[in-house]
Amino acid sequence: EVQLVESGGSLVQPGGSLKLSCVASGFTFSNYWMDWVRQTPGKSLEWIGEINTDGSKTNYAPSIKDRFTISRDNAKSTLYLQMSNVKSDDTAIYYCTGGIAYWGQGTLVTVSS
Amino acid sequence: DIQMTQSPASLSASLGETVTIECRASEDIYSNLAWYQQKPGNSPQLLIYDANSLADGVPSRFSGSGSGTQYSLKINSLQSEDVASYFCQQYNNYPYTFGAGTKLELK
Repeated sequence: EVQLVESGGSLVQPGGSLKLSCVASGFTFSNYWMDWVRQTPGKSLEWIGEINTDGSKTNYAPSIKDRFTISRDNAKSTLYLQMSNVKSDDTAIYYCTGGIAYWGQGTLVTVSS
Repeated sequence: DIQMTQSPASLSASLGETVTIECRASEDIYSNLAWYQQKPGNSPQLLIYDANSLADGVPSRFSGSGSGTQYSLKINSLQSEDVASYFCQQYNNYPYTFGAGTKLELK
């Protein structure tokens, strides 16, 4: 059974940093491009970015570029999202996805003072 | 960025009815389009990829069609378990973008 389990979401102050993790199982993680997608309280979905299979290439949405960094550890089947200089608009549920096919259950990030 | 205009925003239909949801892209996305279903409290689940390919385990009453800039999701013989929100996503160009969603309810 394919599983993606995100963790690391919490309450963080504006300007702060946070690192999310996503542990994958049930499929060959190292063969998949992996993405992060977020869903705001208003329920719209926003693609954040993507990393290729060996971690050498990333693409980001303009709204988070230079603030967020995606990385991966294939030996641990784990995807990461390093968030820095967070803003209130970053409040959302963050999902990791295996391409378009597999989605985790999400982890909630709340940015508030 | 490619804008995905999804319609309608909400839809009320009866059991057994056929419903259609549409997505229009602001430029040609060459059938690089996915449809997702999201039930309350759950993450989105893939229904359709490459505009018209059914994802594994998805009932055959769901179908996708379209090309260029115009795409649609059809649900035949609506079932109670189909009550959910539906989203389209283009993955032809970065940044990948989603439609605003369609909330489907039972009449």
